Amino acid sequence: DVKVTQSSRYLVKRTGEKVFLECVQDMDHENMFWYRQDPGLGLRLIYFSYDVKMKEKGDIPEGYSVSREKKERFSLILESASTNQTSMYLCASSLVQGARDIQPQHFGDGTRLSIL
Amino acid sequence: KNEVEQSPQNLTAQEGEFITINCSYSVGISALHWLQQHPGGGIVSLFMLSSGKKKHGRLIATINIQEKHSSLHITASHPRDSAVYICGVPQGAQKLVFGQGTRLTINP
Repeated sequence: DVKVTQSSRYLVKRTGEKVFLECVQDMDHENMFWYRQDPGLGLRLIYFSYDVKMKEKGDIPEGYSVSREKKERFSLILESASTNQTSMYLCASSLVQGARDIQPQHFGDGTRLSIL
Repeated sequence: KNEVEQSPQNLTAQEGEFITINCSYSVGISALHWLQQHPGGGIVSLFMLSSGKKKHGRLIATINIQEKHSSLHITASHPRDSAVYICGVPQGAQKLVFGQGTRLTINP
């Protein structure tokens, strides 16, 4: 089974702090994703990475950056945390989607981040 | 960008009832994903379908590509089916965009 592991289930930080959320997958997947999930808004893509050191902005990248130095690890960075970044953060990974080859995304358990 | 709408947003039912959750999208797609999220956060993939119908146990997913609509049905619902159900459709080659989710509560 694919395992996507997020470093923390719950995290409390203060406004202005630099926050790191870590995600590791064990199935050699090329694609990795960071989402945030808010009530009524569903899952929204923050950043996507399709290879080591390659990244693409999602729908809501403002206030976030990412790092992918190794294929199995994808980090989300809140450069200066703000209260509106309090949310559930979910990491996912997948194999590359082919033209006729649909691949599922595999999710971690999520990190519930509170910014005080 | 594909717009994805789910209905209802919240659904409460009694154990044993037949459940239907709907998903509509705005742009033609190659496949649609149904996901399940239990309390506590973990999300699992239930179905990926590009046409017709798929069945897994008491769960059935259907899709009508022409009408840009999919349904997830649960037969003989049980309290352990209580979860958030999410549909997702492709956006670009590698990404998905999701509906806002349907929170299902099954009472004993």
